[in-house]
Amino acid sequence: GQSLEQPSEVTAVEGAIVQINCTYQTSGFYGLSWYQQHDGGAPTFLSYNALDGLEETGRFSSFLSRSDSYGYLLLQELQMKDSASYFCAFRGPGGYQKVTFGTGTKLQVIP
Amino acid sequence: DTEVTQTPKHLVMGMTNKKSLKCEQHMGHRAMYWYKQKAKKPPELMFVYSYEKLSINESVPSRFSPECPNSSLLNLHLHALQPEDSALYLCASSQSGGDEQFFGPGTRLTVL
Repeated sequence: GQSLEQPSEVTAVEGAIVQINCTYQTSGFYGLSWYQQHDGGAPTFLSYNALDGLEETGRFSSFLSRSDSYGYLLLQELQMKDSASYFCAFRGPGGYQKVTFGTGTKLQVIP
Repeated sequence: DTEVTQTPKHLVMGMTNKKSLKCEQHMGHRAMYWYKQKAKKPPELMFVYSYEKLSINESVPSRFSPECPNSSLLNLHLHALQPEDSALYLCASSQSGGDEQFFGPGTRLTVL
């Protein structure tokens, strides 16, 4: 089968750095996406890794290791507004548009 | 225009009602998606339309009926729903690949 596992909750201090991990199992893999979702809101795309390594987008970075079936999202200089749920996601198998989301990590940023 | 719009924002319906959810995008995306999301859970894929044709149906009950009238519009027709169908219904669009999806604000559906 296919699955993406994430820690359910993470708490971090404002201004600090936090890493949200995602481990996956799948028989077909294109790459790993990350989304942010505030309570009551819609998911917003953050980042995508097709290849191994680190992708940086402002305060957010995402890392992928295909050999380890593992990725993470790194949030730097945490702000209170970063409190949200974060999901990793991948496409396939079963169709290149078949997107599966991870279990989700609720990040709480505290003062 | 990088926005996906959905109407209505909230919907309350009885188990015998028929209603429709609407979604629209003007980004020229050729893939459109319906997701169901329960509280504190990830979005679950229901349907995918690619180039206006249904490409993925995730074994969704027939009381949910999707429709793609054109490349910008996506509907979800609802009939004889059950209380357990109460959830946030999200529409999304993407270039054909789906790695970067743009989500609408969702319709919060309550079935009484």
